[in-house]
Amino acid sequence: QSALAQPASVSGSPGQSITISCIGTSTDIGFSDYVSWYQQHPGEAPKLIISDVSSRPSGVSNRFSGSKSGNTASLTISGLQAEDEADYFCSSYTDSRPLFGGGTKMTVL
Amino acid sequence: QVQLQESGPGLVKPSQTLSLTCTVSGGSINSGTYYWSWIRQHPGKGLEWIGYIYYTGKTHYNASLKSRVSMSLDTSKNQFSLQMSSVTAADTAVYYCARDTVDSVMAPRGMDVWGHGTTVTVSS
Repeated sequence: QSALAQPASVSGSPGQSITISCIGTSTDIGFSDYVSWYQQHPGEAPKLIISDVSSRPSGVSNRFSGSKSGNTASLTISGLQAEDEADYFCSSYTDSRPLFGGGTKMTVL
Repeated sequence: QVQLQESGPGLVKPSQTLSLTCTVSGGSINSGTYYWSWIRQHPGKGLEWIGYIYYTGKTHYNASLKSRVSMSLDTSKNQFSLQMSSVTAADTAVYYCARDTVDSVMAPRGMDVWGHGTTVTVSS
């Protein structure tokens, strides 16, 4: 059982928007300024797409956005494209130790 | 552009020690700006943080693996390494090395560079 809770799967049609939630506690997401989101395509390494709750690294599409409210972080993908189909993992920290969510499989219908 | 590359045996026998090395290119491992991390992913599962090492040699390990894990640095080769003892089939996974950025109070912020990963199978 992962430390951070994510839905196992979400889906959406091209052009639509979807949101993936990541539920933690007051000692990790609720306390930390550092929530990250990673995208992982099959057979590839995870790729950082959101850092510091809502910042996008250079080169990441502005269709990806992150937010946090209380103990819950969220990743929103707008204008869904076929290439967005992947696994998405959230991450935060407790006592400087990284925690990960179990991952969400995002399917583009 | 910093790149990380894992290397090591793909097959390890039960009860033996797993040893992996991560070679850093395009940047120095001797930097106070990063923690150097190991993460693993069991087949079809999520990510599990194993631990990280700072350029001073300070380490921080996942409590559930701490008794079997050690990490080290070789600054002359710009590499850092993972050793995991007494492995079982449950240690079969893809192992990644990654760079975790550090803030002004030495807290890790997020893993911005990852290696491609190396598959380790524990089997006799």
